[in-house]
Amino acid sequence: GENVEQHPSTLSVQEGDSAVIKCTYSDSASNYFPWYKQELGKGPQLIIDIRSNVGEKKDQRIAVTLNKTAKHFSLHITETQPEDSAVYFCAASRNQAGTALIFGKGTTLSVSS
Amino acid sequence: SAVISQKPSRDICQRGTSLTIQCQVDSQVTMMFWYRQQPGQSLTLIATANQGSEATYESGFVIDKFPISRPNLTFSTLTVSNMSPEDSSIYLCSVVGGGEQYFGPGTRLTVT
Repeated sequence: GENVEQHPSTLSVQEGDSAVIKCTYSDSASNYFPWYKQELGKGPQLIIDIRSNVGEKKDQRIAVTLNKTAKHFSLHITETQPEDSAVYFCAASRNQAGTALIFGKGTTLSVSS
Repeated sequence: SAVISQKPSRDICQRGTSLTIQCQVDSQVTMMFWYRQQPGQSLTLIATANQGSEATYESGFVIDKFPISRPNLTFSTLTVSNMSPEDSSIYLCSVVGGGEQYFGPGTRLTVT
């Protein structure tokens, strides 16, 4: 079955710096890759996703890149702010509708001002 | 996106008892799921709640321990039965809408 590895497990940056979180997946049939942000005491919030027919997607300060050949995808946050501090999870799925998501172990991002 | 609510938001239960968690969605959805998030860990899919039929469970999860109901397209319940301290987790309801998957706020369960 699918296995998703996520690195790093913790990441500390200064406000205004960029942050990059990387994930690799094992199932070459996976075609949907969402990213979630989870703040303390809350459920995961979908922040961006990418499908297999696209190599990169941007939404303001957030971007995701996908390399299907290497089976890895990354989340890039630019101009980080303290409110970006949270746990970020990557996930992968065979189904474009996002069913049966397999999650990475999460990255705790801390942005200090 | 769908708005998902869960009840209760948290509970502390004695071992050997059962707790039923409710999930309500503000629109009709076909796909609804239950996940478990153990302390400091990632999310693991428990089961897919199917409307009008039995839930589909993932490996390691069984109906006797986690019975699920899905009476209509906006509501589901998950029961955690005969609880032990190892069941202490956050339980999350999730739905698919517009090709994306959204999560509820979770139910934080502590078993003593």
